[in-house]
Amino acid sequence: EPEVTQTPSHQVTQMGQEVILRCVPISNHLYFYWYRQILGQKVEFLVSFYNNEISEKSEIFDDQFSVERPDGSNFTLKIRSTKLEDSAMYFCASSLLAGVPDTQYFGPGTRLTVL
Amino acid sequence: KQEVTQIPAALSVPEGENLVLNCSFTDSAIYNLQWFRQDPGKGLTSLLLIQSSQREQTSGRLNASLDKSSGRSTLYIAASQPGDSATYLCAVAFFGNEKLTFGTGTRLTIIP
Repeated sequence: EPEVTQTPSHQVTQMGQEVILRCVPISNHLYFYWYRQILGQKVEFLVSFYNNEISEKSEIFDDQFSVERPDGSNFTLKIRSTKLEDSAMYFCASSLLAGVPDTQYFGPGTRLTVL
Repeated sequence: KQEVTQIPAALSVPEGENLVLNCSFTDSAIYNLQWFRQDPGKGLTSLLLIQSSQREQTSGRLNASLDKSSGRSTLYIAASQPGDSATYLCAVAFFGNEKLTFGTGTRLTIIP
């Protein structure tokens, strides 16, 4: 069964460093998302991406964050200058249908630890 | 503000019992509602999706219901097993949004 994959599974970085989290969505899906979950808290939406541009973003997704689909398969989240409070599990998701919210399939997550 | 609430935060049930998990949401204008399972330190596994036009969905021992007018959904698990122990998350796609809004989850423990 097709699945969303994410790399790395765990990333440790120093405060102020740039990190790139990588995702490979399900191959025929059109919508891509990033969510995060700070330990013990709710899963929170960061950004959605469709047709090579951001379609919706939350207030969390400030200028420190960016997303990119550099080729036909990868979808990346970049944090330019990490802060301690960026430590969280980051989930990538994808869905098939455009325009109407559809089942979102989530990857296993990347645990980001900022020291 | 569009919010999703799950009560209780934790539930322990003896093996073999049937159980119900609850989810409530503040706005009845929704596209759909999705139930997920999350094992400790792991990702989110989609269990069931109910479209706003549907009243329930079933998958194996799981049955999810939706009552939009009252802003409620339930996840019914029949004949619970220790392997069902996990956190169950409810997530809603509200009108006007592409994102899912998540509840805080119910941590379920099935006692052998």
